[in-house]
Amino acid sequence: AQKITQTQPGMFVQEKEAVTLDCTYDTSDPSYGLFWYKQPSSGEMIFLIYQGSYDQQNATEGRYSLNFQKARKSANLVISASQLGDSAMYFCAMREGRGNTPLVFGKGTRLSVIA
Amino acid sequence: GAGVSQSPSNKVTEKGKDVELRCDPISGHTALYWYRQSLGQGLEFLIYFQGNSAPDKSGLPSDRFSAERTGGSVSTLTIQRTQQEDSAVYLCASSLAGGPRTDTQYFGPGTRLTVL
Repeated sequence: AQKITQTQPGMFVQEKEAVTLDCTYDTSDPSYGLFWYKQPSSGEMIFLIYQGSYDQQNATEGRYSLNFQKARKSANLVISASQLGDSAMYFCAMREGRGNTPLVFGKGTRLSVIA
Repeated sequence: GAGVSQSPSNKVTEKGKDVELRCDPISGHTALYWYRQSLGQGLEFLIYFQGNSAPDKSGLPSDRFSAERTGGSVSTLTIQRTQQEDSAVYLCASSLAGGPRTDTQYFGPGTRLTVL
């Protein structure tokens, strides 16, 4: 079974609008971390936002927020006020357990922002 | 400060040749990871180093793949007798080891390997 599922291969959003990228995860470990990365066409993976399994509040970083619904095992990324530079691949990833362990990635969502 | 750097950025080799890919982590980061990104397989974990502990090699796809990390800093991923299915982008990441909030992995620009 996939540990990270991103069901949207591609998404379009109008510039200045908000967009939600879906991510569901599967783990039996009570301690885990959820990450979102952006990969523009240049190829580099850029860290966007982190949510820990014990965090009481949803994470926010500037225009990025994470809609964390623990009971549903979902960690959707919300991008507000989309910009043309937001066009990229977006990956959801999970670290299971405490400390440094490898990330498991979803297959990604390609976001295209339209002027 | 400086981010994770990788070299070369592109490598074209012939089937059967050995290749070495290099990763310089962020200064002070004790954990270092190698991942592979290919069209068919997405992003896959290969190997990870944490301080002076024995590396976790559980993601290496075959014994043709190996990696070392010298002096707790620079790492080299070696692929022996390359095959066409080894063609991919090899990504290196590093992180601090201070606990859940400091273990965010920061990635380098990757090495695109093409095996002809």
